[in-house]
Amino acid sequence: AQSVAQPEDQVNVAEGNPLTVKCTYSVSGNPYLFWYVQYPNRGLQFLLKYITGDNLVKGSYGFEAEFNKSQTSFHLKKPSALVSDSALYFCAVRATGGSYIPTFGRGTSLIVHP
Amino acid sequence: KAGVTQTPRYLIKTRGQQVTLSCSPISGHRSVSWYQQTPGQGLQFLFEYFSETQRNKGNFPGRFSGRQFSNSRSEMNVSTLELGDSALYLCASSSKTGGETQYFGPGTRLLVL
Repeated sequence: AQSVAQPEDQVNVAEGNPLTVKCTYSVSGNPYLFWYVQYPNRGLQFLLKYITGDNLVKGSYGFEAEFNKSQTSFHLKKPSALVSDSALYFCAVRATGGSYIPTFGRGTSLIVHP
Repeated sequence: KAGVTQTPRYLIKTRGQQVTLSCSPISGHRSVSWYQQTPGQGLQFLFEYFSETQRNKGNFPGRFSGRQFSNSRSEMNVSTLELGDSALYLCASSSKTGGETQYFGPGTRLLVL
């Protein structure tokens, strides 16, 4: 069975500082990995995905994520946080074969302080 | 392109009633997935429809059902509502079944009293 862990319920960072939101996964075979962001009373918005190729994936709004196969991790990063980045972030994994059902992590609340 | 739309946005029902939620995917997208989001359980997959056929189903009771029409619009129905069905129901569309990237609607917030 596939699973996703987001070990931190909340991440606090000062505006202008780098941010990292952690994600580890478990899946049979090669993974498809995704990051989504959810603002209050809104649906999820796609940020970026890893399918294959370069381990460093660049996405929307200056976010990037690094795929690390040996550590089964896909941490989300941004060099300089903005207050407007404050939101709920979800990591998701899907196997490349078999069931196409994605599994989402529990979410990490990112709070960027002015 | 217009995004994914969901109606209604808010709904209040009482236990035992049934409810139907609607989702219109992005134009050209043929896959529609439904998710239940609650503070306790997070995001849980309900089912996916592609070209009017259910392709995948999550671990929910038979009270939860859905369908997809020829124009790719989808409806989700919950019968005999329980208090625990109170949640945000999200619809996501994709161009392919088991789509790599899903585009989510704003959700329907259901409150069961």
